[in-house]
Amino acid sequence: DAGVIQSPRHEVTEMGQEVTLRCKPISGHDYLFWYRQTMMRGLELLIYFNNNVPIDDSGMPEDRFSAKMPNASFSTLKIQPSEPRDSAVYFCASSLSRGPSYEQYFGPGTRLTVT
Amino acid sequence: RKEVEQDPGPFNVPEGATVAFNCTYSNSASQSFFWYRQDCRKEPKLLMSVYSSGNEDGRFTAQLNRASQYISLLIRDSKLSDSATYLCVVRDSGYALNFGKGTSLLVTP
Repeated sequence: DAGVIQSPRHEVTEMGQEVTLRCKPISGHDYLFWYRQTMMRGLELLIYFNNNVPIDDSGMPEDRFSAKMPNASFSTLKIQPSEPRDSAVYFCASSLSRGPSYEQYFGPGTRLTVT
Repeated sequence: RKEVEQDPGPFNVPEGATVAFNCTYSNSASQSFFWYRQDCRKEPKLLMSVYSSGNEDGRFTAQLNRASQYISLLIRDSKLSDSATYLCVVRDSGYALNFGKGTSLLVTP
């Protein structure tokens, strides 16, 4: 079975440009999470969805960040305009609400560098 | 204040050694506890859940002390392949997880 798929794997962009990160969760999973990881702050939850509906976006740093989930198999995280401090690894994860486990399955991440 | 605190390490241990990691969490109402493993430049993966009675999976033992809000992970007979960052994870309610910043382990020959 395919795991969580993220694209692109690496993104280098200049300050002020728009960046769009993409995620395809595991088929059948009803929760989708976006995280950001840096050395300084570790892994931070940005936003998560249940059945394509945003549940908690309190971790989104500011209005420059937005996330959508138009259907069960696709989500985007957009940064506009990007800034150097947005440089980080962005992970998407998915999980299944049924059953006793709360395990989240992570994608390989998108390594973003903003110059 | 970070909700989940871990010693960042690094822990450098020889092969065959026993090593223990600790973690504290701030929310006494937290409901579920986990250890995730993250290899260098890879994504986090679930290592094991942590149950109130303590649990073991091969060379790995996890323990939870709810009164002290403390979680531990013990690795016996360390292997080179155990080198990674170990993330302490807590679920308060719902399905969101709170991750510690991780403890780095390097097992040397």
